[in-house]
Amino acid sequence: GAGVSQSPRYKVAKRGQDVALRCDPISGHVSLFWYQQALGQGPEFLTYFQNEAQLDKSGLPSDRFFAERPEGSVSTLKIQRTQQEDSAVYLCASSLDQGLGAGEQFFGPGTRLTVL
Amino acid sequence: AQSVTQLDSQVPVFEEAPVELRCNYSSSVSVYLFWYVQYPNQGLQLLLKYLSGSTLVESINGFEAEFNKSQTSFHLRKPSVHISDTAEYFCAVKRRDSWGKLQFGAGTQVVVTP
Repeated sequence: GAGVSQSPRYKVAKRGQDVALRCDPISGHVSLFWYQQALGQGPEFLTYFQNEAQLDKSGLPSDRFFAERPEGSVSTLKIQRTQQEDSAVYLCASSLDQGLGAGEQFFGPGTRLTVL
Repeated sequence: AQSVTQLDSQVPVFEEAPVELRCNYSSSVSVYLFWYVQYPNQGLQLLLKYLSGSTLVESINGFEAEFNKSQTSFHLRKPSVHISDTAEYFCAVKRRDSWGKLQFGAGTQVVVTP
């Protein structure tokens, strides 16, 4: 199991519920990214970690979105008080590169979030 | 700011025919260019990338892309497609001067039929 894994693969939430999405990056990868992919669109950047430091959170759409990577490996994306517009596939990617280069980002299979 | 435009949302093509997927970008700074592929029920995978040097880059499975600076394009081509090339293809850029976030186009769905 050398790839990026995400859990759960599918999540259905009622509007107003909180959700937590997990990402297990490839072991040893310094950089970790979260993207949001709406139906029929390309992935949109949410946030970036270098080890445990969150260096860029400019893509988080509101203060209901929060991400952490406390030990520099596993990361969790939390969405509070979910809204219907949060329905999307959430992708996690990791990279050995420390961010300023063009190192390959390895993507997980994504978590499909549906908010009813 | 950057933007990435993929001009075709869907491209139907017959097996063994050639295919071209168009990608145009705009950026005020120098960028790296990528093509990613997403096969059905799988995660995004890097297909190829342009960093510098030769403007023609190739992948191991027969795809190639040409960087054209004057036209700000990075079109993807394959001379003869297989059924297994059915997938969604995403063009992406990354600023050379910042952290590694990728900006993607909306994607082109390629459907290969016999």
